[in-house]
Amino acid sequence: DAKTTQPPSMDCAEGRAANLPCNHSTISGNEYVYWYRQIHSQGPQYIIHGLKNNETNEMASLIITEDRKSSTLILPHATLRDTAVYYCIAHNQGGKLIFGQGTELSVKP
Amino acid sequence: KAGVTQTPRYLIKTRGQQVTLSCSPISGHRSVSWYQQTPGQGLQFLFEYFSETQRNKGNFPGRFSGRQFSNSRSEMNVSTLELGDSALYLCASSLLSGESTGELFFGEGSRLTVL
Repeated sequence: DAKTTQPPSMDCAEGRAANLPCNHSTISGNEYVYWYRQIHSQGPQYIIHGLKNNETNEMASLIITEDRKSSTLILPHATLRDTAVYYCIAHNQGGKLIFGQGTELSVKP
Repeated sequence: KAGVTQTPRYLIKTRGQQVTLSCSPISGHRSVSWYQQTPGQGLQFLFEYFSETQRNKGNFPGRFSGRQFSNSRSEMNVSTLELGDSALYLCASSLLSGESTGELFFGEGSRLTVL
C-alpha cells in the first residue's frame, strides 16, 4: 500500500467546514483512498472512500485531485463530536489496511 | 444490528502469562481482522481470517496467533507476555475478505495491561 502523509494536528471552529488534507504521491492506479476516524477510546470508524471521482455521503465529502496524488476530506459543518484522529489510507484491494499516524482534529467552540 | 463485540474489555496479566481475546463479528460478516494499537507504534495489523483461513499476516512474532471458528467468531492468543504487549487490541469485521474491501467495522477493543 502507498504511504500517505497527513499533518499531525489541526483545529477547526465548531460549525465551520473542516478540510483535512492527505498526500499520497506514490499511489498506484488500483489503490483506493480510504478515510477512517478514531474518537478517543473507541475503535476506528469508516468514513468514506474513493478511487478517482469525488465522493459524498452523510458524513463527509472526499475530493481527490485529478492526478490522484492528494485528497481532502471535508466535514461540512464540524461539531464537537467530530474531534478525533483522522486516518487517510491508500489501500490496494488485494492487501491489508495500513494505518499511519493520522491527523488529530480538535473542534473548538 | 449488533456491532462487533470484543471480550474482555479490560484485563491485566503478568509477564510470562498468556492471554486469549475474543471477537464476535457483525452477523453475516465472514472476515475478521486484528490490530494492535500502542501510543508509540499506532495501529498495526496483526492478521486477518476469512472463512476460518488466515488470509493475511502482519509482522508480529509467533507468540501472536489467532483462529476463526465456523460461526466467524475469532480469537487471538498471545503467549509468554512481555511488557511491550500492553496495548489496545482491536478486532474488525467485514462482509468480504479484507483483500476485497477496505471497509471495516471495528469493535471497542480489549485493553491489555502487562505488569
